[in-house]
Amino acid sequence: AQSVTQPDIHITVSEGASLELRCNYSYGATPYLFWYVQSPGQGLQLLLKYFSGDTLVQGIKGFEAEFKRSQSSFNLRKPSVHWSDAAEYFCAVQGVSGGSYIPTFGRGTSLIVHP
Amino acid sequence: EAQVTQNPRYLITVTGKKLTVTCSQNMNHEYMSWYRQDPGLGLRQIYYSMNVEVTDKGDVPEGYKVSRKEKRNFPLILESPSPNQTSLYFCASSLRGISYGYTFGSGTRLTVV
Repeated sequence: AQSVTQPDIHITVSEGASLELRCNYSYGATPYLFWYVQSPGQGLQLLLKYFSGDTLVQGIKGFEAEFKRSQSSFNLRKPSVHWSDAAEYFCAVQGVSGGSYIPTFGRGTSLIVHP
Repeated sequence: EAQVTQNPRYLITVTGKKLTVTCSQNMNHEYMSWYRQDPGLGLRQIYYSMNVEVTDKGDVPEGYKVSRKEKRNFPLILESPSPNQTSLYFCASSLRGISYGYTFGSGTRLTVV
């Protein structure tokens, strides 16, 4: 079975500071990995995804994520946070075989941005 | 504009009164899914559909029904709602569902009293 853990419930950063949100997954092979963002009152929007190849993936809004197989991690980063980045962020893992097309979402990390 | 449309956005109902939340997508996606979001629990999948007339249970299907008679529509039916179904519901769709990621609707906030 697949699972995903987002260890941080809340993260607070100052505007302009760098950001890293943690995501750890459990799966028997290399899964598909995703990061989504949910702004207040909105649905989730796909930020970026990883399937294979280059372990550093670029997404929208200046975000990037790095897949580290040895650590079973897929952390999200941004070099300089803007106030509009305040939102809930979800990591998701999806199996790649056996018909396991059901993605599993983490419980989310709430990002608070101080001016 | 490519989108997933859910209706209604907000709904307050009474225990036992049947309701339907509609979901429609205009992207010709094969894969559609319903989630509920609860504080501290993240998103949990209720039902999903790989294509027309093909549906399957997710993690928390009890108390819900779905149908997929047309590719674009995937309504969520609560035959006899109970207060523990008070939640924020999201419909999502994807091309093929394996590696493309989801497009989510804006959500339906349901309160059952």
